[in-house]
This record gives sequence, C-alpha cells and structure tokens, in this order.
Amino acid sequence: DTEVTQTPKHLVMGMTNKKSLKCEQHMGHRAMYWYKQKAKKPPELMFVYSYEKLSINESVPSRFSPECPNSSLLNLHLHALQPEDSALYLCASSHGPGQKNQPQHFGDGTRLSIL
Amino acid sequence: EDQVTQSPEALRLQEGESSSLNCSYTVSGLRGLFWYRQDPGKGPEFLFTLYSAGEEKEKERLKATLTKKESFLHITAPKPEDSATYLCAVQAWGQFYFGTGTSLTVIP
Repeated sequence: DTEVTQTPKHLVMGMTNKKSLKCEQHMGHRAMYWYKQKAKKPPELMFVYSYEKLSINESVPSRFSPECPNSSLLNLHLHALQPEDSALYLCASSHGPGQKNQPQHFGDGTRLSIL
Repeated sequence: EDQVTQSPEALRLQEGESSSLNCSYTVSGLRGLFWYRQDPGKGPEFLFTLYSAGEEKEKERLKATLTKKESFLHITAPKPEDSATYLCAVQAWGQFYFGTGTSLTVIP
C-alpha cells in the first residue's frame, strides 16, 4: 500500500467533459507533484507545489488546472482534453523540492482515457 | 545540459542469473540519486537513496552503488517477482530528472 492515495483509479471521459483527479498524502510532506506518464516512458513533470504555492509549471496546456487546497491535498482539474492526453497521471510528495536527499513518494496513479 | 541515461533498455535473465543495471548522469549540483521499481499500471515504488560517491545500499537481492558519474543496481540471484521496470532519478537544485528505465524480465 502506498502512502499517497489517488482517486479515481480509472477515468474515462469525453473531450467536452470536466473532471478532477484527487491526491492525498499524510506524511507531513510540504511539496507535491503531478506527473504524466505514457506507456513505456518515464514520468514527465507537470506541476510542483511547494508549501501550497505553485512553484513549477512545465508549460502544461491550460486544459489542465492544478489546485492545492492544503498541505495534504492536491487536485488536477481537467477540461476539454484531447485524445493524446490519455495517460497515467501520477501524484507524488516529498519533504521539499529544495531539500537534498529527499525522495519523492508516488501514488498508484489515475489511468485516464479520453474518448 | 542535465541528463540521466539508463542501460540496457531491456534485460532478460534466467532465475538465479545475477546482473547489473546502469544509470549514468550529468547534472550540476547533485542533491540525490534515487532508484525506483515500477510494476505495470502502478506508480513508482521507492527503493534507495544515494548521495555520496562510494555509498552503497542493500535490500534483499538488490544493491545500489554510486560513483561520481553513475550508479549501478546489482541484482543477485533474481526471482520472477523481481520482474519490473527499474527507474533511476536524479535530484539537482529542486528538479527531478528521470532516466528512461530498464525493463527487467526474470524467466523461471
């Protein structure tokens, strides 16, 4: 069992739908991350929140909108996605993005399929 | 340019046949090197943190080592349940760089 929990595990949506992915951690971490992973590729960083403030946005299209309501929760709001956005979306957390020697801990992801 | 390279891309081993996976990196200001295991449809599972050249960490059949330019993940007498993709990641000044992974298959 992972200490980072993601819901839902699977999501199928049409290109006009609006949905949200949710992530929760109870490890006292102050940095949280969203990654996108395509089959047989490494995770690609999308967003980083540090102390509940967005610190890194890797030029992600605006149809992806992150939100960090508090230090334990991270959401990813989805709207008007394209078929190429189908992927595994991973959430991770760590003690802090600038602290050395601190691994990121990952959830099991949400498998997103866009019809 | 910061870069992390893993080799081989894929590795097939007979059960009990020991081998090593390689992670080479060129980053400015290394702040940590991490090994992860990822099973299909799951998130990466943290295995080891390495920071100083010469450092070694062990867990069951796995042993990770670090030099100034690369890290090795040694697998001793692997079992079929060790089959997975092994990812290396390097932390440098707040950025996390992943290698492309090694897909390991252990045949009974």
